Amino acid sequence: QSVLTQPPSASGTPGQRVTISCSGSSSNIGSNTVNWYQQLPGTAPKLLIYSNNQRPSGVPDRFSGSKSGTSASLAISGLQSEDEADYYCAAWDDSLNGRVVFGTGTKVTVL
Amino acid sequence: QLQLQESGPGLVKPSETLSLTCTVSGGSISSSSYYWGWIRQPPGKGLEWIGSIYYSGSTYYNPSLKSRVTISVDTSKNQFSLKLSSVTAADTAVYYCARHTVVNWFDPWGQGTLVTVSS
Repeated sequence: QSVLTQPPSASGTPGQRVTISCSGSSSNIGSNTVNWYQQLPGTAPKLLIYSNNQRPSGVPDRFSGSKSGTSASLAISGLQSEDEADYYCAAWDDSLNGRVVFGTGTKVTVL
Repeated sequence: QLQLQESGPGLVKPSETLSLTCTVSGGSISSSSYYWGWIRQPPGKGLEWIGSIYYSGSTYYNPSLKSRVTISVDTSKNQFSLKLSSVTAADTAVYYCARHTVVNWFDPWGQGTLVTVSS
């Protein structure tokens, strides 16, 4: 069902930089902005990045987003234990009369 | 601050209709610039957008679910609701409601409610 592809897992030690990719197509990432959500274990998703690279109030600046062509990335610098969570990208997709599409999700593990 | 809370039966029989309500507090559901959406997450799996509604009643749905989904709004109660018909085990999921901006991000989210489809 997911049309945005993410690696299933990523990991790093505390303090390291971790990057998560999100690959789409011209009908979604290629023509619309990308948003990222963090889902801590057993909780609801939380908006982490909106409009490709904007952080909502309260989100630490060690989280950053970028977009190029039909792909996007989320970077976590200075990885902390509390960053262990699932991360999802999302975008509007212009196909099939329009729909919101989510990425497959990436589990980040802090070693 | 704005809060959303899902409510409804946690168990639905196959072929029946799943019905959930989302109550919005700390703000008006009639605010312009926002839609109100439903998203679901099967156990251990990823997120799927179901559909969204504007306070005026204008709706848009995920094409993959459109034939079975109805989303409605009650501005007097500051609530919006989801109905999903002819459910099967594949519809077992945690269902979330969320505010949906016109630029297509969801924030904030409700805590979610698990709906199990089983006889």
